Amino acid sequence: GQQVMQIPQYQHVQEGEDFTTYCNSSTTLSNIQWYKQRPGGHPVFLIQLVKSGEVKKQKRLTFQFGEAKKNSSLHITATQTTDVGTYFCAGRNYGGSQGNLIFGKGTKLSVKP
Amino acid sequence: DTEVTQTPKHLVMGMTNKKSLKCEQHMGHRAMYWYKQKAKKPPELMFVYSYEKLSINESVPSRFSPECPNSSLLNLHLHALQPEDSALYLCASSWTSGGATGELFFGEGSRLTVL
Repeated sequence: GQQVMQIPQYQHVQEGEDFTTYCNSSTTLSNIQWYKQRPGGHPVFLIQLVKSGEVKKQKRLTFQFGEAKKNSSLHITATQTTDVGTYFCAGRNYGGSQGNLIFGKGTKLSVKP
Repeated sequence: DTEVTQTPKHLVMGMTNKKSLKCEQHMGHRAMYWYKQKAKKPPELMFVYSYEKLSINESVPSRFSPECPNSSLLNLHLHALQPEDSALYLCASSWTSGGATGELFFGEGSRLTVL
């Protein structure tokens, strides 16, 4: 079946360093979403990317969707302790319902102050 | 009001018990979901309701029985669960379940322990 691979599984950074997590799909996606889950919390939507080559920014976070719509990345500039959590990408196939959102396994970010 | 409310937050039950998880949203969303999340794993889709009708059942064992009494409420009835069913059960909602829909709004989850 279709998979969304996400790397790395874990990332430990010093506060102020940058962080990037990558997602790759075996098939072309209609869109990709990113969620953040704080320790002990629930997933919270960050952004949705729909267009080929799309780049969106939210303050220190930059999200990219590949030209082939098979890969995506989330980059955090100058991490802060508030960035701690697990970041999930979730892709959806063409023709799929929202219910067919395929989650990556997540990247757990820890930030050392 | 942009919340999905789940009750109870914590539940401990024996393998012979019957219990229910409840979820409520008042955002006018027409799609509601149950996800199961084990520790250090991504959310795993269980059921999708669209316009109060079950549209997706991801081959979930019959000991889990979903119910959607109306467009704002979603229940998950639990019966004869196994210890391996212990997990965080997340309810989510979205405007619709088709097309290039937007975000999923997740509740805080119900943490279930089966003894």
